[in-house]
Amino acid sequence: NAGVTQTPKFQVLKTGQSMTLQCAQDMNHEYMSWYRQDPGMGLRLIHYSVGAGITDQGEVPNGYNVSRSTTEDFPLRLLSAAPSQTSVYFCASSLRRTTTDTQYFGPGTRLTVL
Amino acid sequence: EDKVVQSPLSLVVHEGDTVTLNCSYEVTNFRSLLWYKQEKKAPTFLFMLTSSGIEKKSGRLSSILDKKELFSILNITATQTGDSAIYLCAVEADERGSTLGRLYFGRGTQLTVWP
Repeated sequence: NAGVTQTPKFQVLKTGQSMTLQCAQDMNHEYMSWYRQDPGMGLRLIHYSVGAGITDQGEVPNGYNVSRSTTEDFPLRLLSAAPSQTSVYFCASSLRRTTTDTQYFGPGTRLTVL
Repeated sequence: EDKVVQSPLSLVVHEGDTVTLNCSYEVTNFRSLLWYKQEKKAPTFLFMLTSSGIEKKSGRLSSILDKKELFSILNITATQTGDSAIYLCAVEADERGSTLGRLYFGRGTQLTVWP
């Protein structure tokens, strides 16, 4: 199993540009989520999904869209990038969203918005 | 306002020292508390705690939860340079109107172990 994969590893955008961060897992996990991590801050939940076709907002959803058309993929879209979105983005998955399930994290995408 | 507060924010020790990392929380409908170790990239899971007073151990790492006082500690004995990392604490709480819990992360403790 490849686990949780994310692409790209690094990205530089100009303000106003759009892009999609890709996340995929091959463990047949139902639950997937996106976090951002900023210096001096903990991980903050952006959006999550409990299965194909079902998504919901986390703590900091503004400026981001997600979709979950398949179990494997959970892309994160920035429609109009802003400097405040400069961060490291982590995708995570777990079999289900219960207290007994471990979350597996992807390697992260470092995004800089100029 | 932070729901999960970790202390200290950073810590520098020498190999062989024992360290204690703290995590306090304030959430309603607590479900579990999790510890992660983050080196250069993604966090890796260490422990999940749901019951008070039951110590979880993995090698030189151990952790315990106090649900009455709303905190947890992570102990690392005989530290090694490979223990240098950010240690993240996260608390899972029920989300109103949802059957799912939500994770709240602390800001982490940066541990540096010198040889």
